[in-house]
Amino acid sequence: DADVTQTPRNRITKTGKRIMLECSQTKGHDRMYWYRQDPGLGLRLIYYSFDVKDINKGEISDGYSVSRQAQAKFSLSLESAIPNQTALYFCATADRGNQPQHFGDGTRLSIL
Amino acid sequence: GQQVMQIPQYQHVQEGEDFTTYCNSSTTLSNIQWYKQRPGGHPVFLIQLVKSGEVKKQKRLTFQFGEAKKNSSLHITATQTTDVGTYFCAGPTGTASKLTFGTGTRLQVTL
Repeated sequence: DADVTQTPRNRITKTGKRIMLECSQTKGHDRMYWYRQDPGLGLRLIYYSFDVKDINKGEISDGYSVSRQAQAKFSLSLESAIPNQTALYFCATADRGNQPQHFGDGTRLSIL
Repeated sequence: GQQVMQIPQYQHVQEGEDFTTYCNSSTTLSNIQWYKQRPGGHPVFLIQLVKSGEVKKQKRLTFQFGEAKKNSSLHITATQTTDVGTYFCAGPTGTASKLTFGTGTRLQVTL
């Protein structure tokens, strides 16, 4: 959805670098999520947030951190990137519980 | 923790053939959602099923939710090349606002 914007779309970086992936939305949704997609493993939840003051770990949060700067913005950081964090990262939003999630176009991250 | 598995992982069909993907959860689900991801794209919501035994149709796509609410299926009749992509099921985990996605089924359709 154009309503969920991820930047950058592609990033190549080196091991040990700090990286920030950004997500912004104009849908007015409270709930925001960061997922990682690897071939054959589906989408795995890294972190999620229900509002600006609420941050929760997902199933694979180690090595990642997030910041919810505003209702519309949710950033994912890799403090010291490692090659096995090479993946496709998606941000998603949802209006409330049990509602469909709306995904951004993704960030393809390669760590050399 | 909750696991959601899909089979097959990959299927290649000729255009016009039918296709089915199956989704199985290790726990009972309050609802199940289906998403489609086109090659190079992002997951897009298709449908949500809530009731035990529920069947919903979208043109050539038929979605079913099992009686025990632990499994679901997506059936496509007479596939077309526009059906190419990866189909994911997803069910709520713990709090209702968090989803566990299945491993996905990648569909390839050739003429």
